[in-house]
Amino acid sequence: GAVVSQHPSWVICKSGTSVKIECRSLDFQATTMFWYRQFPKQSLMLMATSNEGSKATYEQGVEKDKFLINHASLTLSTLTVTSAHPEDSSFYICSARDLSSYNEQFFGPGTRLTVL
Amino acid sequence: GENVEQHPSTLSVQEGDSAVIKCTYSDSASNYFPWYKQELGKRPQLIIDIRSNVGEKKDQRIAVTLNKTAKHFSLHITETQPEDSAVYFCAATPHSGGGADGLTFGKGTHLIIQP
Repeated sequence: GAVVSQHPSWVICKSGTSVKIECRSLDFQATTMFWYRQFPKQSLMLMATSNEGSKATYEQGVEKDKFLINHASLTLSTLTVTSAHPEDSSFYICSARDLSSYNEQFFGPGTRLTVL
Repeated sequence: GENVEQHPSTLSVQEGDSAVIKCTYSDSASNYFPWYKQELGKRPQLIIDIRSNVGEKKDQRIAVTLNKTAKHFSLHITETQPEDSAVYFCAATPHSGGGADGLTFGKGTHLIIQP
């Protein structure tokens, strides 16, 4: 099956710093990737849709200047949390859609971000 | 936008019994309904999905039913086993043709299988 990786798996940073998270589709090309955020004991919330070669589409309430998304190739999307604060601490999960599998999305293993 | 409601939030069943989790959705354009199992700290794993042109789908002990008129779909797990204990999420998404629609998730159900 399709494999999606994320790096890093966890990161701890100081308040005010920026953190970059990578999402890669390893064995298929993904024109579209999605970024979700999951707070402890809560559901996954869609943050943005990452489109290869164009601007990301952000969900209502998600600050595009704070969560920078770049989808420079068909296998890589990055999410940069700028000027991170403790309230940004969360589990960030990406997914990628394999065009050959209709709507099925394949999830990465997630990145645990802790902002001190 | 889409809104997905999921019930119950916690479900405890005896090993060997059946478990049923129900979801409703609001957007009539939604036509893809996956179910995910998530263990603590892990990624969601797709366990079964159904599309709007189908009313029911089964895969061994797991089945999903869809009622498009009522806008609800349900997950059925039979002969539950301890390893079925996890958090289960339903989700919905429209298929716009461009395929660029993210998933809207329910709040999740913590399924506990009592030995």
